[in-house]
Amino acid sequence: DQQVKQNSPSLSVQEGRISILNCDYTNSMFDYFLWYKKYPAEGPTFLISISSIKDKNEDGRFTVFLNKSAKHLSLHIVPSQPGDSAVYFCAAMANFGNEKLTFGTGTRLTIIP
Amino acid sequence: NAGVMQNPRHLVRRRGQEARLRCSPMKGHSHVYWYRQLPEEGLKFMVYLQKENIIDESGMPKERFSAEFPKEGPSILRIQQVVRGDSAAYFCASSPYGRQGTDTQYFGPGTRLTVL
Repeated sequence: DQQVKQNSPSLSVQEGRISILNCDYTNSMFDYFLWYKKYPAEGPTFLISISSIKDKNEDGRFTVFLNKSAKHLSLHIVPSQPGDSAVYFCAAMANFGNEKLTFGTGTRLTIIP
Repeated sequence: NAGVMQNPRHLVRRRGQEARLRCSPMKGHSHVYWYRQLPEEGLKFMVYLQKENIIDESGMPKERFSAEFPKEGPSILRIQQVVRGDSAAYFCASSPYGRQGTDTQYFGPGTRLTVL
């Protein structure tokens, strides 16, 4: 039962262009969403988050959009840089009183120089 | 300002042995979470602990796995009588307050367990 889905296992984008990574969720109790970036043999690094009371959050080159009615969020990276090549995980948290994160399966982003 | 520390980074065990994985949270953080990542999969929640208390162990296998976070010292994830299916990357994360719905978890580098 995959409650957080990243349907694109991989994505290739030209350097300088926009990268758009997508994430869908099924659990309507999720109300806080995070994006993590992961390099091989390292732990996930927090990138950006968004609460369900917002529909957009921006931090430098990274913007996350949340569409609650569609249960969909996306991460935009612009402009894309070679160092952005990594696996990106979407994660969600529900306001049940516990703090566990439910992760998607990840999207491998490759930036082409 | 050190991040989340995990050791060892790599651990090799033979079937039937015990594995102990350690996690020191970031300074000032009193909430610790353990996740497991199997090859080609996302991270799966295992257990959430505060100092001396297990808050949520819903993701922990019922047998052979245990976790603790003592008043002093690191959090320990213990796997008894390891089997080949336990081979995975185990990540620890910590957060400062455990506030509902707004807290960010910061991850350590992981321990890669290989069971021969």
